[in-house]
Amino acid sequence: GESVGLHLPTLSVQEGDNSIINCAYSNSASDYFIWYKQESGKGPQFIIDIRSNMDKRQGQRVTVLLNKTVKHLSLQIAATQPGDSAVYFCAENNAGNMLTFGGGTRLMVKP
Amino acid sequence: EAEVAQSPRYKITEKSQAVAFWCDPISGHATLYWYRQILGQGPELLVQFQDESVVDDSQLPKDRFSAERLKGVDSTLKIQPAELGDSAMYLCASSSRTGRATEAFFGQGTRLTVV
Repeated sequence: GESVGLHLPTLSVQEGDNSIINCAYSNSASDYFIWYKQESGKGPQFIIDIRSNMDKRQGQRVTVLLNKTVKHLSLQIAATQPGDSAVYFCAENNAGNMLTFGGGTRLMVKP
Repeated sequence: EAEVAQSPRYKITEKSQAVAFWCDPISGHATLYWYRQILGQGPELLVQFQDESVVDDSQLPKDRFSAERLKGVDSTLKIQPAELGDSAMYLCASSSRTGRATEAFFGQGTRLTVV
């Protein structure tokens, strides 16, 4: 079946550096994408979203890039902090409002 | 700030027993999801409701799992009988229906351990 996946299962970065987490999706009909952050023992927390009519969206310290040509999504975190340590999931949402998750990337921030 | 409420937070049950989880979505949210998350993996959709109607339950093991949302507000997910492989985090999420997809908000989940 169609799915959302991630390239890197674990990413380790130095505090203060920028982080880039990547995601590949396969459903060309998906028109809305979300990045979630999940800390241990908690539910996923919404970070940022982007619709398919955009290729970039910025939030506070985070930027999401969407490349529909190659079906690729990335999350950039500027000046990564210890509190950013978590598992990050991308999720795609199609017209039926069905939300499909990828396998996640663990971000580890070294002090 | 409105939240999705789930209970219990933790549940330990013996295999072959029945177990139930409860979810109260954010007020006004028409769409409700139940996900199962195995440690180290992404959430997998079990069932999706739009108001009181099931939109998708294709991944719900219907021989043992059931879900209902009778009044289109809160929802219950039941497992009977529980099996060892059911040990996981069960997450509930809700989103508003505005004609366009919107972000889903998650509860803190119920951690189920089957022994």
